[in-house]
Amino acid sequence: QSVLTQPPSVSGAPGLRVTISCSGTSSNIGAGSDVHWYQHLPGTAPKLLIYANNNRPSGVPDRFSGSKSGTSASLAITGLQPEDEAYYYCQSHDNSLSGVVFGGGTKVTVL
Amino acid sequence: QVLLQESGPGLVKPSQTLSLTCTVSGGSVSSGSYYWSWIRQPAGKGLEWIGRLYSSGIPSYNPSLKSRVTISADTSKNQISLNLRSVTAADTAVYYCTRDNVYYDANGPSLAFEIWGQGTVVTVSS
Repeated sequence: QSVLTQPPSVSGAPGLRVTISCSGTSSNIGAGSDVHWYQHLPGTAPKLLIYANNNRPSGVPDRFSGSKSGTSASLAITGLQPEDEAYYYCQSHDNSLSGVVFGGGTKVTVL
Repeated sequence: QVLLQESGPGLVKPSQTLSLTCTVSGGSVSSGSYYWSWIRQPAGKGLEWIGRLYSSGIPSYNPSLKSRVTISADTSKNQISLNLRSVTAADTAVYYCTRDNVYYDANGPSLAFEIWGQGTVVTVSS
């Protein structure tokens, strides 16, 4: 069971918008720890998608955006495209556990 | 372009030590600007952070694995190593090495896994 909680799956038609939630607690996201998001296509190396809550590394399309409020964070994908079909993981730091924590991952399916 | 490549035995017997190497190309493990981590993913499950090596050479480990893990650097070979002792079937997973970067915002610094290797599959079985 992961420390951060994500929905197992979300889906949407091409061109539409989907959001993935990441729920934490007062010892991680709620304590002010930043949230990072990763995209993972099975068999490939995971990719940093969003860092420090709402920042995109160079080369990441602006269709991807992140936000954080209270003890939760969200990743939004607008203008959904077939190549966005992948697993997405949120990650933060937990003060009580003294280390890195991940969400369980969300599979995005493009219908 | 910095590339990371994990290598090591794909099969380890129970109770033995899992030893993996991450070879870094296009960059130096000695760089004080970055840190290095190992992360694993059991089949059908999520990601689990194993530990991190800071530029000072001081490691930080997942408390749940701390008693069995050692992460170190060989600067002459530009490699990061992982040793996991007394393995069981629960240690079967894809193992990734990462380069971690420090990002600064209004809250201060935070570390993210900026670059990942392709991963290597390790099975623990007799």
